[in-house]
Amino acid sequence: GQNIDQPTEMTATEGAIVQINCTYQTSGFNGLFWYQQHAGEAPTFLSYNVLDGLEEKGRFSSFLSRSKGYSYLLLKELQMKDSASYLCAVKDSNYQLIWGAGTKLIIKP
Amino acid sequence: GAVVSQHPSRVICKSGTSVKIECRSLDFQATTMFWYRQFPKQSLMLMATSNEGSKATYEQGVEKDKFLINHASLTLSTLTVTSAHPEDSSFYICSASDRETEAFFGQGTRLTVV
Repeated sequence: GQNIDQPTEMTATEGAIVQINCTYQTSGFNGLFWYQQHAGEAPTFLSYNVLDGLEEKGRFSSFLSRSKGYSYLLLKELQMKDSASYLCAVKDSNYQLIWGAGTKLIIKP
Repeated sequence: GAVVSQHPSRVICKSGTSVKIECRSLDFQATTMFWYRQFPKQSLMLMATSNEGSKATYEQGVEKDKFLINHASLTLSTLTVTSAHPEDSSFYICSASDRETEAFFGQGTRLTVV
């Protein structure tokens, strides 16, 4: 079966760095996505990785290792507004998106 | 990025009635649309995958006769919640995608059944 695992909840301090991990087992791979979702709102696109390595975009970076079936989202200089759920998703061989359950990130002052 | 429009954003209906939610991809042809449900403080739950011109694929535990999905064109999918009950109250979100893009989400529909 297809499976994406990410921690249910994480807590971090304002100004710090946090890494949210995602491991996946899917039938084929056509890219990995990270989304941010605030409560009561639709998810918003953060990043896309299809090749191994690190993609940096401002305070957010995303890493991919296809051989390990592993990705992480790195958030630097955390702000209170970063409190949200972070969703990892993989496109499989049929270009269908397989979603993780999401990681709720709590930022404390 | 592409735009997906979902309508209505909020709806309140009486128990036993049906509600239709529309999801339109405004500037690209979406071969696949996804319908999600999200209860308070919970993650997105995929309900069904809608492919243009064919029957939707429902996730386990989702009643296909209660949640009717129609994807008649490459730009429009509809979700009809039939005979709604209070336990169907939730946040419903659609997303549209083609092979080369990430999923684009609609604004979501807050359904309250009274």
